[in-house]
Amino acid sequence: AQTVTQSQPEMSVQEAETVTLSCTYDTSESNYYLFWYKQPPSRQMILVIRQEAYKQQNATENRFSVNFQKAAKSFSLKISDSQLGDTAMYFCAFHSGTYKYIFGTGTRLKVLA
Amino acid sequence: DSGVTQTPKHLITATGQRVTLRCSPRSGDLSVYWYQQSLDQGLQFLIQYYNGEERAKGNILERFSAQQFPDLHSELNLSSLELGDSALYFCASSTRTGSSYEQYFGPGTRLTVT
Repeated sequence: AQTVTQSQPEMSVQEAETVTLSCTYDTSESNYYLFWYKQPPSRQMILVIRQEAYKQQNATENRFSVNFQKAAKSFSLKISDSQLGDTAMYFCAFHSGTYKYIFGTGTRLKVLA
Repeated sequence: DSGVTQTPKHLITATGQRVTLRCSPRSGDLSVYWYQQSLDQGLQFLIQYYNGEERAKGNILERFSAQQFPDLHSELNLSSLELGDSALYFCASSTRTGSSYEQYFGPGTRLTVT
């Protein structure tokens, strides 16, 4: 069975600094998709970034980028130039193209002014 | 705006009652997922439908049921409600975009059982 682990329950970062959130997963699938979702205090779930496992190039979306290490089954999210609006819960998610999405337990990120 | 709509936004009801939560997926999305998120908890997958058929079940209680209609909207029925059912219930829809699957969430229905 697939699992997703986020080992950092809470993190904080100073505004304008860089922070990296960790995510590891376990699967026997060779092709799959990984996602980071953001849940701000409004509780809306927002897709931040996605990565296809067959792509070696790490995905980037503006200030958000990932470090995808397929062999190590690691998928970390780097937020550069952190902004107060980045304060949120961040969830890592896995999808193998079958039916279920598997979510991690989340990392609560607080950006400090 | 994700394009996924959920009604109602808030629902307050008493223990033992039954409620129905409604979800309309994004235009063109055939898959609908339901999740439960209790306070400060992660997302618990409940159930998935694809084009009207149940495709996957997660930690869904027997008191809960769902269906997806021909127009692709979905309803989650919660019966014999207990205090512990108080949570945020999300609906999400997904589609295959190019070579990737993306899941988009509605704003959620906040259920309070008193």
